[in-house]
Amino acid sequence: DTGVSQDPRHKITKRGQNVTFRCDPISEHNRLYWYRQTLGQGPEFLTYFQNEAQLEKSRLLSDRFSAERPKGSFSTLEIQRTEQGDSAMYLCASSPWGTSGSRVYNEQFFGPGTRLTVL
Amino acid sequence: DQQVKQNSPSLSVQEGRISILNCDYTNSMFDYFLWYKKYPAEGPTFLISISSIKDKNEDGRFTVFLNKSAKHLSLHIVPSQPGDSAVYFCAASVDGATNKLIFGTGTLLAVQP
Repeated sequence: DTGVSQDPRHKITKRGQNVTFRCDPISEHNRLYWYRQTLGQGPEFLTYFQNEAQLEKSRLLSDRFSAERPKGSFSTLEIQRTEQGDSAMYLCASSPWGTSGSRVYNEQFFGPGTRLTVL
Repeated sequence: DQQVKQNSPSLSVQEGRISILNCDYTNSMFDYFLWYKKYPAEGPTFLISISSIKDKNEDGRFTVFLNKSAKHLSLHIVPSQPGDSAVYFCAASVDGATNKLIFGTGTLLAVQP
């Protein structure tokens, strides 16, 4: 396992269609994050999981967006009824997290991203 | 409300010289700061981090300085190499790096041979 992988790398869809992206984190990492990046901006947080539990969702994540991590391993991000404003790079990241309750400082490792274009 | 700001969209430096990238933040609850490098068509790659209990962290050619009173951090790259040419993002987190990261808008560094 060499890193975080995302599939597909590119997706072109028509407005109104549904799309689903997949992220496979680094195997020993129990935290998984989704970010969105648009041109000229830094990545913006969407949501994150610890194991299979979704712990936080950004207000950017409208009800058309849903994310799952059913077995605490890979995750999917689905966008329903896509809009042109959804066009962006969708980034997934993973990190380890200590279970002792003590603070653990570890960076998040990012995948290559999925570039979505909504026509 | 941009909590993490990188006011220089681009920076050009000669090979071998020092590159200094700056970042300002507004949220005093941030306690962990990171720098990422991003090449086109790739995800961000972690470079170096610093917790708020320190004011300096060094890793090879990369040094990050944190000035909490000014809510300012900087990344120094010495010596700069052409392969360092990329977009650099500053990011911050509350409660350690394993929580959500708030990113700046990035600075495009060009190292001229």
